[in-house]
Amino acid sequence: AQSVSQHNHHVILSEAASLELGCNYSYGGTVNLFWYVQYPGQHLQLLLKYFSGDPLVKGIKGFEAEFIKSKFSFNLRKPSVQWSDTAEYFCAVRSSGNTGKLIFGQGTTLQVKP
Amino acid sequence: KAGVTQTPRYLIKTRGQQVTLSCSPISGHRSVSWYQQTPGQGLQFLFEYFSETQRNKGNFPGRFSGRQFSNSRSEMNVSTLELGDSALYLCASSDLQGAGELFFGEGSRLTVL
Repeated sequence: AQSVSQHNHHVILSEAASLELGCNYSYGGTVNLFWYVQYPGQHLQLLLKYFSGDPLVKGIKGFEAEFIKSKFSFNLRKPSVQWSDTAEYFCAVRSSGNTGKLIFGQGTTLQVKP
Repeated sequence: KAGVTQTPRYLIKTRGQQVTLSCSPISGHRSVSWYQQTPGQGLQFLFEYFSETQRNKGNFPGRFSGRQFSNSRSEMNVSTLELGDSALYLCASSDLQGAGELFFGEGSRLTVL
């Protein structure tokens, strides 16, 4: 069965620190990859996505992610976090043909201290 | 464009009852998916509808069902509620016949007493 693993469950950083959240998935075929963010009290919003092409993907609010096929990874990065980045972050995978069906990781709670 | 709209936002039911949740997708989106979010299990896929047909289904018991109408609006139903059904139920819609990104609603928070 497909699965998604997020390495960190809870991350605490100070403002201006760099962020990297790990995400690995298990599926050997073609995949679409996503990072979603859920700010406190708000709905899930898409940060960035990878469908094909350049494996380095840039998203909103200065976030980027790199798809490394050989490592089945899609890690999220941001050079300098802000207090407003405090939220829960979810990595998700959709295998080819499985429209509408995302497999989500367990999520990482990011707390940024001002 | 208006986003994905879910109703009701909050509801409380007792064990054994049934519940129906509604979802209106973004205009033009024909794929609607449903997810259950709980602290213990995280986000789990329930099912996806496209053009009034269930196209994909997750690993949930038959008490969980859904349907989609000709205007792409969708409903999900949970019968014979159990305490463990307490969760945030999220609806998402997608364009490109379901191959695009998913846009999520704010969810319906169900509490089963």
